[in-house]
Amino acid sequence: QQQVKQSPQSLIVQKGGISIINCAYENTAFDYFPWYQQFPGKGPALLIAIRPDVSEKKEGRFTISFNKSAKQFSLHIMDSQPGDSATYFCAAVQGYKLSFGAGTTVTVRA
Amino acid sequence: ETGVTQTPRHLVMGMTNKKSLKCEQHLGHNAMYWYKQSAKKPLELMFVYSLEERVENNSVPSRFSPECPNSSHLFLHLHTLQPEDSALYLCASSQSFSPGANVLTFGAGSRLTVL
Repeated sequence: QQQVKQSPQSLIVQKGGISIINCAYENTAFDYFPWYQQFPGKGPALLIAIRPDVSEKKEGRFTISFNKSAKQFSLHIMDSQPGDSATYFCAAVQGYKLSFGAGTTVTVRA
Repeated sequence: ETGVTQTPRHLVMGMTNKKSLKCEQHLGHNAMYWYKQSAKKPLELMFVYSLEERVENNSVPSRFSPECPNSSHLFLHLHTLQPEDSALYLCASSQSFSPGANVLTFGAGSRLTVL
């Protein structure tokens, strides 16, 4: 059973545009919600993360919005750049277990 | 060497072969993980070791056998695999399982093809 559902599967955005990726979860015991970025030929790398007692976290052009009551969280990439083209995974953490979404492939067109 | 290093990066094996994947972390972390990554699917947790003790075996077939000789090294021994086992196998490490702080550092992965 997939514990974290991620959408869309892929998206294309123009340079300078906004990319939005959404995730939903069911288990209220999750205590940490990271996003990982993966480039071809590389392993996933932590991009940004949020704890459930915070509704928003911003780091540069990347923002996580977290809605605890709806059990949903999203990643916003502002002013998207060609270098942001990658696959993005949301995850939810309980102890040592990370449950990942299926990933979103983002393509930024110049 | 820094971070998490995986070897080999690519491996092709027949169904009757025996091979091993190796992972080494240079971060001083206490926990190490094996994940399986298949196209369009979520990363699947296979095994977790904390301080060299296995704490998770996520219903993985016995043809996959992990080994953690010390906190810096992790192996995945492979034998009599099936073509559906072809995937990217990712090793990761983390410092802590503390709530709100479990951050994984991944290696680049070993791309396995089973013929």
